[in-house]
Amino acid sequence: DTEVTQTPKHLVMGMTNKKSLKCEQHMGHRAMYWYKQKAKKPPELMFVYSYEKLSINESVPSRFSPECPNSSLLNLHLHALQPEDSALYLCASSLSSDTQYFGPGTRLTVL
Amino acid sequence: AQSVTQLDSQVPVFEEAPVELRCNYSSSVSVYLFWYVQYPNQGLQLLLKYLSGSTLVKGINGFEAEFNKSQTSFHLRKPSVHISDTAEYFCAVSDLINNNDMRFGAGTRLTVKP
Repeated sequence: DTEVTQTPKHLVMGMTNKKSLKCEQHMGHRAMYWYKQKAKKPPELMFVYSYEKLSINESVPSRFSPECPNSSLLNLHLHALQPEDSALYLCASSLSSDTQYFGPGTRLTVL
Repeated sequence: AQSVTQLDSQVPVFEEAPVELRCNYSSSVSVYLFWYVQYPNQGLQLLLKYLSGSTLVKGINGFEAEFNKSQTSFHLRKPSVHISDTAEYFCAVSDLINNNDMRFGAGTRLTVKP
């Protein structure tokens, strides 16, 4: 298994909703990442988990809450989002310290 | 911290022509360098990477890149492009100290015309 999977592919939510994005990999990678990508822009790093511990938090608003239940799974919990949070959310993983492999992303629309 | 500059936001080219997408980086320490491709409504796919060793790196889909330390560049090349190469290309850098912290360039939109 050499891929990163993300669910759902698309998500539409209201500003008062609570939803979660899920990311999974079975490559034995020990670092997992969340990125946010707006249209026609590069991905922006949000969070990094290394060995299931949060190692980087790029000053992301608290309405985004990451969780790493185990080394294969990464969640991003969403609550009280704003329309400007609409974007493609990308998950990635890496074995150790170099190459990151990306999932297909979740297209989020906040109404 | 490290950073990347992609010098061209858009590169139009005719099918079967050669192409070069330019990337320059800035870092005070040794770096890892990457090129990723993103097709519409998809995630990022790794094209190639430079970690160490030979400065000429070959990747998938006929792409290659050359690491030039003196010019702090990592330009991507392909001798003959196809329509299917139309996509967004991102250069990225991470340094050997904060190697989980990868930074992307702004991207280059490659459009291959028939």
